[in-house]
Amino acid sequence: AQTVTQSQPEMSVQEAETVTLSCTYDTSESNYYLFWYKQPPSRQMILVIRQEAYKQQNATENRFSVNFQKAAKSFSLKISDSQLGDTAMYFCAFNNAGNNRKLIWGLGTSLAVNP
Amino acid sequence: GAVVSQHPSWVICKSGTSVKIECRSLDFQATTMFWYRQFPKQSLMLMATSNEGSKATYEQGVEKDKFLINHASLTLSTLTVTSAHPEDSSFYICSAIPTSGRASSTDTQYFGPGTRLTVL
Repeated sequence: AQTVTQSQPEMSVQEAETVTLSCTYDTSESNYYLFWYKQPPSRQMILVIRQEAYKQQNATENRFSVNFQKAAKSFSLKISDSQLGDTAMYFCAFNNAGNNRKLIWGLGTSLAVNP
Repeated sequence: GAVVSQHPSWVICKSGTSVKIECRSLDFQATTMFWYRQFPKQSLMLMATSNEGSKATYEQGVEKDKFLINHASLTLSTLTVTSAHPEDSSFYICSAIPTSGRASSTDTQYFGPGTRLTVL
């Protein structure tokens, strides 16, 4: 079965500090895509970062970066210089390349950035 | 870019009535859209995959006669909750995948802001 595990239901970090959210997944496919989405209190789901499984280089988007370990099936998200606006629910997800493209979701990590 | 809208953002209806929710991709075309349901403090639950010009594919346990999906154009999918009951009250979210454009975008779901449905 394809699954995503986010082992940290809740986390908190002080403003301007760095925090890492963990995610592990399981799939037998070799070609897939990994995502981190954030859902702030407004409930708008926002794409944070995307990683192609065939790329060894870790994706980065400004203050957000990932540590992608394909062999370990691990895909953690690092948020640097945390800001109050980063307070949100963060979901890890992946889909298999191809026509399906349905996302397999983790249960989410609730991140609170404290002033 | 990659903006998805939903209308209405919230709706309150009486039990037994039908409610239609629209999902539009504003700046791209989308052959495939998805409909989700989300309960408070939970992850997204996929209800169905909406394909332009063909029948939707429903996930196991989702009543297709109750949740009617129509994807009549490359920018619009609608979800109609028929004969709504209080247990249908939830937050419904749609997403869309660009049909063309940058290779990286054609595997990425972009989400609408959601619709809160309350059935009295």
